[in-house]
Amino acid sequence: DAKTTQPPSMDCAEGRAANLPCNHSTISGNEYVYWYRQIHSQGPQYIIHGLKNNETNEMASLIITEDRKSSTLILPHATLRDTAVYYCIVRRINYGGSQGNLIFGKGTKLSVKP
Amino acid sequence: DTGVSQDPRHKITKRGQNVTFRCDPISEHNRLYWYRQTLGQGPEFLTYFQNEAQLEKSRLLSDRFSAERPKGSFSTLEIQRTEQGDSAMYLCASSFYGQGFNEKLFFGSGTQLSVL
Repeated sequence: DAKTTQPPSMDCAEGRAANLPCNHSTISGNEYVYWYRQIHSQGPQYIIHGLKNNETNEMASLIITEDRKSSTLILPHATLRDTAVYYCIVRRINYGGSQGNLIFGKGTKLSVKP
Repeated sequence: DTGVSQDPRHKITKRGQNVTFRCDPISEHNRLYWYRQTLGQGPEFLTYFQNEAQLEKSRLLSDRFSAERPKGSFSTLEIQRTEQGDSAMYLCASSFYGQGFNEKLFFGSGTQLSVL
């Protein structure tokens, strides 16, 4: 699976949008972008995923550039409970389903401050 | 609670002892994964099962580690002759895998192992 690059840490003010970038310049056509987060002392939690179109769900929005070499996870109104490590992962998907396991990097530690 | 359950939450053992962890996945999930996580690092893949078949094992999984999922439901991870380097959080995740289906992993809260 393609490697991803994320900043090690970011701060965000409570109530503001948190924009977390991820570079995946070697992504291939059948690789999806996944985002997970890990709150302290808990297991990782799925947030969102996408292939090439922008995606939105109840937790976040995912913006993928047209060339698919980078993406941004947006938490529209960050709260203190969004303080966590956020992982950007790319994973192969084909007709047979997802391939291989999730490969986590070190992620971005997001600190939401009051 | 119908999430992924791991037992115990914490385990302290002496070097050289054997330990066993249990994971109960979400009931309709056919895949089960084990990961290991040390402080400041992301989770590292160890192994995964589809139903009762162990489909992949990481090179991280030494001969002292063994995992089973005998009936395709719960799984156990055993570490024999523990070493201090085995101290870590052991995470279990489950998922539904199907043809063309975009798989999402659901993680448990992990078992924190401390080897003294």
